[in-house]
Amino acid sequence: EAAVTQSPRSKVAVTGGKVTLSCHQTNNHDYMYWYRQDTGHGLRLIHYSYVADSTEKGDIPDGYKASRPSQENFSLILELASLSQTAVYFCASSDNYAEQFFGPGTRLTVL
Amino acid sequence: QQQVRQSPQSLTVWEGETAILNCSYENSAFDYFPWYQQFPGEGPALLISILSVSNKKEDGRFTIFFNKREKKLSLHIADSQPGDSATYFCAASPIASSSFSKLVFGQGTSLSVVP
Repeated sequence: EAAVTQSPRSKVAVTGGKVTLSCHQTNNHDYMYWYRQDTGHGLRLIHYSYVADSTEKGDIPDGYKASRPSQENFSLILELASLSQTAVYFCASSDNYAEQFFGPGTRLTVL
Repeated sequence: QQQVRQSPQSLTVWEGETAILNCSYENSAFDYFPWYQQFPGEGPALLISILSVSNKKEDGRFTIFFNKREKKLSLHIADSQPGDSATYFCAASPIASSSFSKLVFGQGTSLSVVP
């Protein structure tokens, strides 16, 4: 049974529109992360959180917001989607430095 | 600025050969180095990892060799199988005193194993 799930699995959005990507984990982990994956760049950290109701900026936070309403849920929000935000987005959770558990990803296309 | 670099970008080996994937890093504060394996359409999954106090870590057919002085490490996949065809990411982080894991990922190596 998948411990980190993401929804939707794919989405097409229009430029300037609002997009919300959702992540749910059943690992009982404190830490959650949002990454984007682009060809040639690997995974880059957008936002992360170590406790509910608190989020922190990662390495590439511009154009993104995050929300952690509970330990289990972590959302990524694109208030004004742009073409450059077309990518695959991964959510992950962890409870220590040793291993992050990733979800299956959301493929976002902005037109 | 790419703090973790991987080479080659893509690699093709025959079944049964040893695949060698390379990784280098810049930040001397990094002391934890995991390798993640990603199959198409899936999220990455931890394959094997090493701490900077060690120079070698083995797990079955997978071995990490680590050179702290040169800031380089490599992943060796012995007796490569078609099922090993995937993208492999080298990552790094400082452990520090917290349990937070802020990993920096390389750009990945796409491995194809030909039967």
